Amino acid sequence: QQPVQSPQAVILREGEDAVINCSSSKALYSVHWYRQKHGEAPVFLMILLKGGEQKGHEKISASFNEKKQQSSLYLTASQLSYSGTYFCGTEYTDKLIFGTGTRLQVFP
Amino acid sequence: DTAVSQTPKYLVTQMGNDKSIKCEQNLGHDTMYWYKQDSKKFLKIMFSYNNKELIINETVPNRFSPKSPDKAHLNLHINSLELGDSAVYFCASSQGRQGGQYFGPGTRLTVT
Repeated sequence: QQPVQSPQAVILREGEDAVINCSSSKALYSVHWYRQKHGEAPVFLMILLKGGEQKGHEKISASFNEKKQQSSLYLTASQLSYSGTYFCGTEYTDKLIFGTGTRLQVFP
Repeated sequence: DTAVSQTPKYLVTQMGNDKSIKCEQNLGHDTMYWYKQDSKKFLKIMFSYNNKELIINETVPNRFSPKSPDKAHLNLHINSLELGDSAVYFCASSQGRQGGQYFGPGTRLTVT
């Protein structure tokens, strides 16, 4: 039931790109993306409500493929501030189920 | 101004004690949540309230009792604390089910 994210961890140099995937075994009605830095609370990045929807947030964007029951988060030209753990959240029976998390580390 | 606030930030207590965590949001949202994040960083919903009405009650021991006096406040009372209750508890709020969720800073509970 918990969405599976891949990869589990990513190490990048500043300026490099990354893609984080989120897959669900159940039909997706919406997908949320959050970033959590160590010792802090998760921070809302964006929500995708419809299949086929794509959204952007600065250099971070996401897509939602309803048929494939998956979403992807794209980080371009990564910055040090992008480091943290990224969680997708999928809506299932009126509640948000968070994914397994992807730890992203960006080095100078 | 803090959007979602929680008190206390840290809570260290012994097994068998009763403790409460308070949460307040000033975003005007109508839905509030309690999440538990364990040592493996898994975020799990516990409860959700919409306009003071309980709408989600996950499989959580009866020792956990939420209370929402108004739509801006959501408290969590825990009776007879156990070692396995040690975790970080986050409060969150959103505007409706489809709004992004805004989290409080978390309460790190340690049961010894």
